[in-house]
Amino acid sequence: GESVGLHLPTLSVQEGDNSIINCAYSNSASDYFIWYKQESGKGPQFIIDIRSNMDKRQGQRVTVLLNKTVKHLSLQIAATQPGDSAVYFCAENPGNTGKLIFGQGTTLQVKP
Amino acid sequence: NAGVTQTPKFQVLKTGQSMTLQCAQDMNHEYMSWYRQDPGMGLRLIHYSVGAGITDQGEVPNGYNVSRSTTEDFPLRLLSAAPSQTSVYFCASKELAYSYEQYFGPGTRLTVT
Repeated sequence: GESVGLHLPTLSVQEGDNSIINCAYSNSASDYFIWYKQESGKGPQFIIDIRSNMDKRQGQRVTVLLNKTVKHLSLQIAATQPGDSAVYFCAENPGNTGKLIFGQGTTLQVKP
Repeated sequence: NAGVTQTPKFQVLKTGQSMTLQCAQDMNHEYMSWYRQDPGMGLRLIHYSVGAGITDQGEVPNGYNVSRSTTEDFPLRLLSAAPSQTSVYFCASKELAYSYEQYFGPGTRLTVT
């Protein structure tokens, strides 16, 4: 069945270092992927997205990489800050349904 | 522009009680959805709607009802609450049925005893 998963439940990084959060997906028909950030007690917040016809997309301090060959997605955060501490979810849209399937989430902890 | 609002923020129910979680958005979004979030799991889709008068089931619809009488509101009803429905519930909306960026509300934390 369809599933989206993240490789690590918790990632701890030093402030100022770069962070890489990984995600594996299983549905080859997925044509769109999103990364969300969820801070404690709040709803998920959109970070960046990528379509399946792209390999890389950059935003402000964030980059998403898509490897369709191995069905892998990653989120890179440059110069990680304490405000980046949150749970990060990847989500996929399996085949133009308009619905999103979420992964389990990775908790990013930023050490001062 | 308030975005997506949800009420209540917290709720405790006894098994068998019914209640309605409210969700409203002021962005004129056609698409609205309900998710539940359990510890160690991602968000799972309960029900969704692509416009007023149209609703459909998501991954985990059992035990929940929805209706969409207006574009702005999308209430989620629990007819007979069960402990398995203890969760955090998020409502979300987006512009069109096939636009993917969803805007989430702050969530309702529900405990069923």
